[in-house]
Amino acid sequence: EVQLVESGGGLVQSGGSLRLSCAASGFAFRSYWMTWVRQVPGKGLEWVASINEDGSESYFVDSVKGRFTISRDNAKDSLYLQTSSLRVEDTAVYYCARAMGGTVGDYWGQGTLVTVSS
Amino acid sequence: IVLTQSPATLSLSAGERATLSCRASQSVSRYLAWFQQRPGQAPRLLIYDVSNRATGIPARFSGSGSGTDFTLTISSLEPEDFAVYYCQQRSNWPPTWTFGQGTKVEAK
Repeated sequence: EVQLVESGGGLVQSGGSLRLSCAASGFAFRSYWMTWVRQVPGKGLEWVASINEDGSESYFVDSVKGRFTISRDNAKDSLYLQTSSLRVEDTAVYYCARAMGGTVGDYWGQGTLVTVSS
Repeated sequence: IVLTQSPATLSLSAGERATLSCRASQSVSRYLAWFQQRPGQAPRLLIYDVSNRATGIPARFSGSGSGTDFTLTISSLEPEDFAVYYCQQRSNWPPTWTFGQGTKVEAK
């Protein structure tokens, strides 16, 4: 069974940093692109970042470029999102997802909440 | 590419047909997907590549369209189908992904 479990969310002050993690199991993690998607509570979905199978390529939504980095450890079946210079508007539930073709994800975790206070 | 979904809210009864629209600001490749999100849950992939049902998705869900106009149809609403639906596309280069703002299907 495919499982994705996010962790690392929490309350942080504006300008701070957090490292989000996503533990994957039940599939060949090293063979898939992976994605982070976020959702402000009560609002819509926003793609944040994606990384290719071996970590050599990564892509970001414009609003987080230069502040967030995405990485992976295929030996540990884990995906990461390092966030820095956090802003109040980064407050959201952050989901990791296993990318499939042109979709952001065919399997999703349950999300981890990041709250940025002013 | 901006995706605009309509209507914002669709009020229907169980058993009725739901037709959701997703319009792109410019022509989209075949990478058009639909997701369902129930309250308190993560999104669930329904349709990928315009018209292919994801694993385990019932046949009452179907996708169609091309170019800039795409449709998700639920042939006969079940109680569990009342949820928010998002369309999503992937641009070819550089790879970026965008979502529509969502359509809420609510019980009338």
